[in-house]
Amino acid sequence: AQSVTQLDSHVSVSEGTPVLLRCNYSSSYSPSLFWYVQHPNKGLQLLLKYTSAATLVKGINGFEAEFKKSETSFHLTKPSAHMSDAAEYFCVVRSYGNNRLAFGKGNQVVVIP
Amino acid sequence: DAGVTQSPTHLIKTRGQQVTLRCSPKSGHDTVSWYQQALGQGPQFIFQYYEEEERQRGNFPDRFSGHQFPNYSSELNVNALLLGDSALYLCASSLALTPGGEQYFGPGTRLTVT
Repeated sequence: AQSVTQLDSHVSVSEGTPVLLRCNYSSSYSPSLFWYVQHPNKGLQLLLKYTSAATLVKGINGFEAEFKKSETSFHLTKPSAHMSDAAEYFCVVRSYGNNRLAFGKGNQVVVIP
Repeated sequence: DAGVTQSPTHLIKTRGQQVTLRCSPKSGHDTVSWYQQALGQGPQFIFQYYEEEERQRGNFPDRFSGHQFPNYSSELNVNALLLGDSALYLCASSLALTPGGEQYFGPGTRLTVT
């Protein structure tokens, strides 16, 4: 079985300050991990993905995430929040050999001017 | 290069009715997955189609069924609609042989059951 836990359903950050969204996963086999972003009334957009290559993954819009197998974590960070980062963020896991994606409950990010 | 498209954008149905949602995958993709996203929740996997067959299925009742056509497009059918079926239905496409399993999502169909 595969699952994802995202704490802090709502996160508020000030513009220009760092963003940290935490994700812990459970997977029976070597997982692929993803972060997707969903802006209001828009589809899901892939931010970045980990597929057993480098453990530090860089994505679009200045986001990055680090895969830590010992901690079963895949936290998302950005050094400096921008107003356009206000959206919902989902951590997603896919086990090896399994095509279905398992989503976390999401983090709603609010950026304060 | 068109991305994943879905129709209709919004739909309102009455309890007990049936509904059909449509999805066209990204050009070059051969696999279509469907997800249900209830308000305030993450998407939940419904099923996946490849080579016109259902390959995997999530924890959804038989009222949810699908089809994939030779051009890789897909339909999601829901029978005997319940109020709890109100949600955003997302279609995602991918290429079966692509390492990493990245799925590209459409904008979704918002279904409201009254």
